[in-house]
Amino acid sequence: QSVLTQPPSASGTPGQRVIISCSGSSSNIGNNYVYWYQHLPGTAPKFLISKSNQRPSGVPDRFSGSKSGTSASLAISGLRSEDEADYYCAAWDDSLSAFSFGGGTKLTVL
Amino acid sequence: EVQLVQSGAEVKKPGESLKISCKASGYKFTDHWIGWVRQMPGEGLEWMGIIYPSISETKYTPSFQGRVTISADKSINTAYLQWNSLKASDTAVYYCARGDDSGYYAYQYGIEVWGQGTTVTVSS
Repeated sequence: QSVLTQPPSASGTPGQRVIISCSGSSSNIGNNYVYWYQHLPGTAPKFLISKSNQRPSGVPDRFSGSKSGTSASLAISGLRSEDEADYYCAAWDDSLSAFSFGGGTKLTVL
Repeated sequence: EVQLVQSGAEVKKPGESLKISCKASGYKFTDHWIGWVRQMPGEGLEWMGIIYPSISETKYTPSFQGRVTISADKSINTAYLQWNSLKASDTAVYYCARGDDSGYYAYQYGIEVWGQGTTVTVSS
């Protein structure tokens, strides 16, 4: 059972804007940065968002991250078929003294 | 270019030992935390633990503490994940992963670079 909670699934049509949420507590999201990753089966995860809202080089500006209190979210605008993947949030947890991933959200592009 | 190249797929029997590796290149190995992430079949990502190669300090997720050993050889820029006695439940893909920022206090920062993954199958 992860300390970070994500919805198991999300969906949208091409061109739409989709938001994936990540809920935590004061020991993780509330006091530390949030990271987001995109994962396609059989491949290495891709680094999408750093330090809650920063896009690493090469990540399209269609992807954006935000954080408020003990929750965070990943927004994907101009949805494309190639965005269909699993998305994970992650953060350091001060109580566990360990990094923790959310359970993952499977995004389907209809 | 920063790269993490992992050792190949393994098929083992329950009770056997195993050590998989992750060869780093393109950056100063001793300056970044490096660790391992597990993905069991059909499941999500799980952060196992990390090591700071400069001083070999490790941090483990509680559920993995005592079940695996993370080590590093800074003379050859390689990190390792080791089991003394494998179980069928260790069947998974294991990713090597390097931390975002450099320095000892960067352990709380996320993963920037990933290896290609090593598939470990444990079956009698």
